[in-house]
Amino acid sequence: GAVVSQHPSRVICKSGTSVKIECRSLDFQATTMFWYRQFPKQSLMLMATSNEGSKATYEQGVEKDKFLINHASLTLSTLTVTSAHPEDSSFYICSAREDDYDNRRAEAFFGQGTRLTVV
Amino acid sequence: KNQVEQSPQSLIILEGKNCTLQCNYTVSPFSNLRWYKQDTGRGPVSLTIMTFSENTKSNGRYTATLDADTKQSSLHITASQLSDSASYICVVSAGGYQKVTFGTGTKLQVIP
Repeated sequence: GAVVSQHPSRVICKSGTSVKIECRSLDFQATTMFWYRQFPKQSLMLMATSNEGSKATYEQGVEKDKFLINHASLTLSTLTVTSAHPEDSSFYICSAREDDYDNRRAEAFFGQGTRLTVV
Repeated sequence: KNQVEQSPQSLIILEGKNCTLQCNYTVSPFSNLRWYKQDTGRGPVSLTIMTFSENTKSNGRYTATLDADTKQSSLHITASQLSDSASYICVVSAGGYQKVTFGTGTKLQVIP
């Protein structure tokens, strides 16, 4: 099946620094990628929808200047957490939706997730 | 407001037993419904995807059903194995913009 590679899987950073997370679709093109955040024992919360070649669409309450998204190619989207604070510590997951003529069956494949710890 | 509710919240079963997880949704207009398995600290992995016209879909020991009239879906796991221990998430997509709504998940624990 299709594979989405997310890197790094774990990162620890100091408060005030920035962290970049990469999301790659390895064997398919993905015009659209999604970034999620998941707190312990909670469901995934959509942060933003990343569209290749255009600006990302952020969900209400998500600071676009803090969570910078770049979708420069059909196989790569990046999420940069700028000026990270301890409250940004979370599990971040990306998903890539396979470009498909039949949108009803367009599959979304998830990356392995990135555990971010800000100290 | 689009919502996806799952039950039970958590479940413990003996290895080898069957179980059924439930998903009720109010997402409209409906596009598709997917079941995912998420191991702790990992990204979700797709189990099944169903569109409006599909009532049942199987993937090995996993069988999903969909009743679009009552807006209910179930995921049946047969002959459970220890490796089935995970969270199972129901995800419903709406309309042409593919907005997705995640359920809160059912945490399944299979014990020897």
